[in-house]
Amino acid sequence: EAQVTQNPRYLITVTGKKLTVTCSQNMNHEYMSWYRQDPGLGLRQIYYSMNVEVTDKGDVPEGYKVSRKEKRNFPLILESPSPNQTSLYFCASTAGHTEAFFGQGTRLTVV
Amino acid sequence: AQKITQTQPGMFVQEKEAVTLDCTYDTSDQSYGLFWYKQPSSGEMIFLIYQGSYDEQNATEGRYSLNFQKARKSANLVISASQLGDSAMYFCAMRAIGSSNTGKLIFGQGTTLQVKP
Repeated sequence: EAQVTQNPRYLITVTGKKLTVTCSQNMNHEYMSWYRQDPGLGLRQIYYSMNVEVTDKGDVPEGYKVSRKEKRNFPLILESPSPNQTSLYFCASTAGHTEAFFGQGTRLTVV
Repeated sequence: AQKITQTQPGMFVQEKEAVTLDCTYDTSDQSYGLFWYKQPSSGEMIFLIYQGSYDEQNATEGRYSLNFQKARKSANLVISASQLGDSAMYFCAMRAIGSSNTGKLIFGQGTTLQVKP
């Protein structure tokens, strides 16, 4: 089954404690992205990747890091999380000429 | 710069009636794609329909159709015969095709639709 898998689904952490949200896709898609969703703001792109070792900043990259060492994986790293990073996060992948497939989402709370 | 605007934060529709969700966009790209996604209360993002900028006919997928007016830069979603299960948040999105921005999917703020029995 074609899918994008994110883990964990829910995470509560404390300010400053490094965390990683994993994302994996099994469709051999070139493009992968991370988004955060906040009420009234829709989904905003954090980072995206056009292929292995090729990444670029989205609209809200501050406080986040990503890496794309393999085509299927695109982890999101928060080196020092802060409460303003409390949000719903989505990973997505696409072949470029088709719709984006989304993971189930990760609800992150930073206290 | 690309931008998507959804001006209806919330809408109500009676069951079995049709409803139109508005979406306008702005882009300097010549070739682009327009998407609609549904997000039910469970949170997942469900792809509904796609319209390419060079497609001459409006896209349709079952009860969903996309009213594409290129000159007005609008891509409204029409849901016919609304069902209770259509109650959700709906997002309009856009992506450039064939440029360095192909990987960037830009979303609107979303419209919450509630279907009344």
